[in-house]
Amino acid sequence: DSGVTQTPKHLITATGQRVTLRCSPRSGDLSVYWYQQSLDQGLQFLIQYYNGEERAKGNILERFSAQQFPDLHSELNLSSLELGDSALYFCASSPGRGTPLHFGNGTRLTVT
Amino acid sequence: QQQVKQSPQSLIVQKGGISIINCAYENTAFDYFPWYQQFPGKGPALLIAIRPDVSEKKEGRFTISFNKSAKQFSLHIMDSQPGDSATYFCAVLFSGNTPLVFGKGTRLSVIA
Repeated sequence: DSGVTQTPKHLITATGQRVTLRCSPRSGDLSVYWYQQSLDQGLQFLIQYYNGEERAKGNILERFSAQQFPDLHSELNLSSLELGDSALYFCASSPGRGTPLHFGNGTRLTVT
Repeated sequence: QQQVKQSPQSLIVQKGGISIINCAYENTAFDYFPWYQQFPGKGPALLIAIRPDVSEKKEGRFTISFNKSAKQFSLHIMDSQPGDSATYFCAVLFSGNTPLVFGKGTRLSVIA
């Protein structure tokens, strides 16, 4: 058990809809990362937060947004969903730069 | 652009054999090169990591070899077992603010 909790495990929704994915990091970890995993693209970095502040941004679409709350949990919001957004979304946490990332078990999003 | 090239995409090894996965990177890396192991339905989990002040690190049956001048590193799994069947990702922490950049993964199948 990595100590990172992601909910829900599965999400099925229709095109055009909006969903929220939730992540609780390991106790004491200040950094939260979001990655998207699809079959062909491996693990694509989306966005990182550190202690409530956005720290780095990757290939995150404008339709996607995230935030980290004072209790350090994070949410990833996906809106105007398209079929191509179907993927596994992973959250990871770490104490800081250069330290191991600990991943949750992901949320599998299916857009129909 | 910060890229990590991982090969092969898939690998089939006989039980007891050696599995070898290679990664190469461009641009300037920071000082952290981890390998992650992912089983179906689970998030990636840290397997072994190396820092560039050493050329090799061994943990049990798993060994990382690192060639800083060539910007290449590899994972060797000795005495491969069916339980090692998983997807393996290398990653590089580049200089600057970017979090871990992952290779596209290698699906390893160890057959009896």
